[in-house]
Amino acid sequence: DTGVSQDPRHKITKRGQNVTFRCDPISEHNRLYWYRQTLGQGPEFLTYFQNEAQLEKSRLLSDRFSAERPKGSFSTLEIQRTEQGDSAMYLCASSPGDLLYGYTFGSGTRLTVV
Amino acid sequence: ILNVEQSPQSLHVQEGDSTNFTCSFPSSNFYALHWYRWETAKSPEALFVMTLNGDEKKKGRISATLNTKEGYSYLYIKGSQPEDSATYLCAFRNYGGSQGNLIFGKGTKLSVKP
Repeated sequence: DTGVSQDPRHKITKRGQNVTFRCDPISEHNRLYWYRQTLGQGPEFLTYFQNEAQLEKSRLLSDRFSAERPKGSFSTLEIQRTEQGDSAMYLCASSPGDLLYGYTFGSGTRLTVV
Repeated sequence: ILNVEQSPQSLHVQEGDSTNFTCSFPSSNFYALHWYRWETAKSPEALFVMTLNGDEKKKGRISATLNTKEGYSYLYIKGSQPEDSATYLCAFRNYGGSQGNLIFGKGTKLSVKP
């Protein structure tokens, strides 16, 4: 296992288009997290899964955002009708248990909405 | 709203200097504190997960201390090297907080000149 993979690394899209990002966590990790980082800020929590169950969503996750982890393995994050304010680094992380374990992060997907 | 503050925002040191930075967090209902190192164009890497008041952890030239009663943690780097150049993030969670929600600070950006 080579760690957490995210695809694509960069995405440029026009305002109003839909985009989808993929995250492949470490296979033994049952927890998967999505965070977003905008310029000058720390990562902000979006949502997390334990196996295939989405256990929490942040208020930051408007109805234009949806995340899935269909078989408890990889996850996708979709943003519909993108807005310029969605431009950010989207980070995925996984862990083998609760917050007493450090997260293993992917390299992120940099989204630019023009 | 729970806030995690990190200081300084950025730091420039010469190779061989020792340095330290601070993470401040709410002291009530403390559960866990994480430290991460994030090098440019790479993934954030977990350094430490700390849970007990008075805890000290060490990894090579990097060490961290934790004071949960007063709500702060220090990260120390002894004899900084250019490869230590990175953004250092701390993240906090309290009891009663979301299982998936680590609250991150904005980070301290360290630059080490050869």
